Amino acid sequence: GESVGLHLPTLSVQEGDNSIINCAYSNSASDYFIWYKQESGKGPQFIIDIRSNMDKRQGQRVTVLLNKTVKHLSLQIAATQPGDSAVYFCAEKGNEKLTFGTGTRLTIIP
Amino acid sequence: NAGVTQTPKFQVLKTGQSMTLQCAQDMNHNSMYWYRQDPGMGLRLIYYSASEGTTDKGEVPNGYNVSRLNKREFSLRLESAAPSQTSVYFCASGFTGAKETQYFGPGTRLLVL
Repeated sequence: GESVGLHLPTLSVQEGDNSIINCAYSNSASDYFIWYKQESGKGPQFIIDIRSNMDKRQGQRVTVLLNKTVKHLSLQIAATQPGDSAVYFCAEKGNEKLTFGTGTRLTIIP
Repeated sequence: NAGVTQTPKFQVLKTGQSMTLQCAQDMNHNSMYWYRQDPGMGLRLIYYSASEGTTDKGEVPNGYNVSRLNKREFSLRLESAAPSQTSVYFCASGFTGAKETQYFGPGTRLLVL
């Protein structure tokens, strides 16, 4: 089956800096992508989504970029805060079901 | 609006014991899902229900059964637990359609000895 992967398993960012978390996907037929945040001991929390007919979407302090040419997805978090510490993972939808990546752990340095 | 709720939060079983994990959602979603999450691996789909009265196997269905009791509730049953089923189980729900966001519950942590 198709897989979704992440370039970096861990990312440490200074508080106040911007964070960029990357994701590669392999299914060119995927038409919908979601970023989730998972804090320790909790369930995944929806952050932002993007459809394949878009290349950028912005939310509150977060931006998702989609590059279909190289099958790459990124999540940008502006002015990273301690509360942003979590595992972030992307998911792609190509055949009615979501396929999830393993995640990147974001650590905030005070 | 509680979203997706799961019970129990934590459970310890002995090999061979059975149990049912409960899930309920109050968002009027059509579809419901059961996933397991293991260290170093992404969420893996066990079973899903695209609508009330239907269930389908996901990626890792062996050793599990499900029941879509009504639109709100979707239960996962382990008939004879095995240590390999030690995991964190998440229930999710969403609307069926092209743009299908799934919303997750808080999870059930299961330890099989």
